[in-house]
Amino acid sequence: DIQMTQSPSTLSASVGDRVTITCRASQSISSWLAWYQQKPGKAPKLLISKASSLESGVPSRFSGSGSGTEFTLTITSLQPDDFATYYCQHYSTYPFSFGQGTKLEIK
Amino acid sequence: QVQLVESGGGVVQPGRSLRLSCAASGFTFSNYAMHWVRQAPGKGLEWVAVISYDGDNKYFADSVKGRFTISRDNSKNTLYLQMSSLRAEDTAVYYCAKEVPPGGYSDYWGQGTLVTVSS
Repeated sequence: DIQMTQSPSTLSASVGDRVTITCRASQSISSWLAWYQQKPGKAPKLLISKASSLESGVPSRFSGSGSGTEFTLTITSLQPDDFATYYCQHYSTYPFSFGQGTKLEIK
Repeated sequence: QVQLVESGGGVVQPGRSLRLSCAASGFTFSNYAMHWVRQAPGKGLEWVAVISYDGDNKYFADSVKGRFTISRDNSKNTLYLQMSSLRAEDTAVYYCAKEVPPGGYSDYWGQGTLVTVSS
């Protein structure tokens, strides 16, 4: 089974900052990776698919990159609404799996 | 608009069974694979199971294989998760999610239903 590892687990930043979250797969998953944002008590929201394809309606300050085993989610110019937990998920082969999450906190 | 509404959660004793339902609307349910994903209190997301659009193909996480089954009734636009031999570690919010073809990630999620396994 493919394991997904995110870093860091927690990230403190300020409004206006640029932040990067990393997700590593235990084996190559090509570009079969999605990123989700989750706020407390809410369902996850899809941000990015196929490693770098921004979903409709998602602000352009979000971007994804990578392929193979290493991926990044970058948020430029953080906004107050961006403070949440972020998860990567591979969908290369079953069973799918998520990273453990990165909590983005206000500094 | 797409809506997914889970139901059937509650408190259940260890070793017992429970069936969750997910009522879908706003899209052609029979055209899409569907997933269950769970989240233990204060923890991350865990993928649980998937069923193909026609119900012919099903896959499970190792943690639930042999205990959980997934099914669907396309005539009722409803997805199910039958959970048996429940354990304390199955305590979680269970989400159903619609898959984006040709496969993998999910664009719409329900609000979740809480399952608590406790004596």
